Amino acid sequence: AQRVTQPEKLLSVFKGAPVELKCNYSYSGSPELFWYVQYSRQRLQLLLRHISRESIKGFTADLNKGETSFHLKKPFAQEEDSAMYYCALRTNSGYSTLTFGKGTMLLVSP
Amino acid sequence: DVKVTQSSRYLVKRTGEKVFLECVQDMDHENMFWYRQDPGLGLRLIYFSYDVKMKEKGDIPEGYSVSREKKERFSLILESASTNQTSMYLCASGPGDTDTQYFGPGTRLTVL
Repeated sequence: AQRVTQPEKLLSVFKGAPVELKCNYSYSGSPELFWYVQYSRQRLQLLLRHISRESIKGFTADLNKGETSFHLKKPFAQEEDSAMYYCALRTNSGYSTLTFGKGTMLLVSP
Repeated sequence: DVKVTQSSRYLVKRTGEKVFLECVQDMDHENMFWYRQDPGLGLRLIYFSYDVKMKEKGDIPEGYSVSREKKERFSLILESASTNQTSMYLCASGPGDTDTQYFGPGTRLTVL
């Protein structure tokens, strides 16, 4: 069965510091990985997907199949980045649903 | 702009009551999903639907049922609410040919 692991419940950094939110997955097939974000009092929304290889709000994430990881990175954190971040895995077997990790709360202090 | 709405932001019910949570989307999406969101547990899929009158169990369907009589509406039903069903419930929808899910604002349900 597929699994997504986000080892950190909380990550606290200062403004301007680099940020890395860790995500590891377990899936025997060809995975598709996503990062979703939920800002305070807002709905959950897609941040980025690995197949797009894009940078959104300064965040990037690279799929490393050898290490089964999809870590989210940003070189200089901003206070407005404070939010809950969820890593999600889409499988290609049977019905296509998302399996979410438990989430990491990012707090960026001034 | 995709709009997914949920009937209530906050709901308080008593143990044993039958509870209906409604979700409506206005983008003609084929796929609709119900999750519960709990601190430390993340999002867990309860049920999903890929078409009208069609439903599939997710990871934690026990104690829940769903109904999809119309394409735009997906209802989550708690037949007999229990205190361990106190949670934030999120509805999502998405086009049938993509992986993107659009989420509603959530319903925070408290069962006393």
